[in-house]
Amino acid sequence: DIQMTQSPSSLSASVGDRVTITCRASQSISSYLNWYEQKAGKAPKLLIYAASTLQSGVPSRFRGSGSGTDFTLTISSLQPEDFATYYCQQSYSTPSFGGGTKVEIK
Amino acid sequence: EVQLLESGGGLVQPGGSLRLSCAASGFTFTTYAMSWVRQAPGKGLEWVSAISGSGGSTFYADSVKGRFTISRDSSKNTLYLQMNSLRAEDTAVYYCAKGGVYSGSYIDYWGQGTLVTVSS
Repeated sequence: DIQMTQSPSSLSASVGDRVTITCRASQSISSYLNWYEQKAGKAPKLLIYAASTLQSGVPSRFRGSGSGTDFTLTISSLQPEDFATYYCQQSYSTPSFGGGTKVEIK
Repeated sequence: EVQLLESGGGLVQPGGSLRLSCAASGFTFTTYAMSWVRQAPGKGLEWVSAISGSGGSTFYADSVKGRFTISRDSSKNTLYLQMNSLRAEDTAVYYCAKGGVYSGSYIDYWGQGTLVTVSS
């Protein structure tokens, strides 16, 4: 099974900050990497698929990059509605999620 | 508009059984694989099971293999998860999800979730 490791597990940031979340796979997964956002008490929402393709309706301040084993989700200018938990998920084989990164208000 | 509406959650004793249902609408049900993903209280997401669009292929996480059975009824546009031999560690919100099993796939729609509590 492929293990997904996210870092950090949590971070504090201010509105307008640039935020970067990393995700590492235990083996190469090509570009088969998706990112989801989950707000408290809600279902997850797809942000990015295939490592860098923005899902329809997702603001352009979200950007995904990487391939192989190392991936990054960047929020260029954090907005109030972006305070949430973010998960990566590999779709190279049987799906697995990272442990999540909680983005909190500083 | 795609809608996924789960039902069937509740409180069950260890060793008991429960069947979750997910009524799907707004897309051609038989075209898409469907998944179940769970989230234990205060924890992260865990993929549980998936089924192909035709229903001919099923997939399970090791943690539920042999205890859970996924199925779908195309005449009712409904996805199911039969859960047997339930354990305390199966306590979670269970989400029905569209997509998410084949290489390169992703989950683009999620239900609101249904809570399963395994406790005596």
